[in-house]
Amino acid sequence: TQLLEQSPQFLSIQEGENLTVYCNSSSVFSSLQWYRQEPGEGPVLLVTVVTGGEVKKLKRLTFQFGDARKDSSLHITAAQPGDTGLYLCAGEKAAGNKLTFGGGTRVLVKP
Amino acid sequence: KAGVTQTPRYLIKTRGQQVTLSCSPISGHRSVSWYQQTPGQGLQFLFEYFSETQRNKGNFPGRFSGRQFSNSRSEMNVSTLELGDSALYLCASSLLTQGASGELFFGEGSRLTVL
Repeated sequence: TQLLEQSPQFLSIQEGENLTVYCNSSSVFSSLQWYRQEPGEGPVLLVTVVTGGEVKKLKRLTFQFGDARKDSSLHITAAQPGDTGLYLCAGEKAAGNKLTFGGGTRVLVKP
Repeated sequence: KAGVTQTPRYLIKTRGQQVTLSCSPISGHRSVSWYQQTPGQGLQFLFEYFSETQRNKGNFPGRFSGRQFSNSRSEMNVSTLELGDSALYLCASSLLTQGASGELFFGEGSRLTVL
């Protein structure tokens, strides 16, 4: 069982549609990061959230950290083919601890 | 500035052999972490080195080991390879140790196939 559960595991949508990816846990995290990984490459950091209830926007991407710091979501508005990739959430349980990754959500945006 | 460099990018080994993978972090980064990525298990933490000391270790058998040199370059070794060790091995460097919410910069990975 993953400490961080991501859903859905796979998402296929048409260009222009919206999508939301969820990252859930029963544990509290001091911070949570979202990464995107494209085929043949390593993950690249998109955002870090540290405060419960925090909302961060990155162009068409909106990230939210749950009030209790146990969950997070990533919402993409008007998805484009360039948004295709594997989205990974990663959490730190406490200072000095290792970063734990969720299982990932594979997003395919068709033109 | 140059990114994280991992070598080799691809390699094929047979069961029972051993393998050494290398990682050169971004200049100035003192933390190097290693992850194993497979379709079934996702990204699994192997270990983190900071200033030549292993700070954290994941739940992998003793066949998996690593080290970090004084120039922050790191190597990981897998002995007595098993079919299940086939995976993409990712190295990530960070300016800060993982507990300080530092950003991880990943290399492109070393894809290991065990036959």
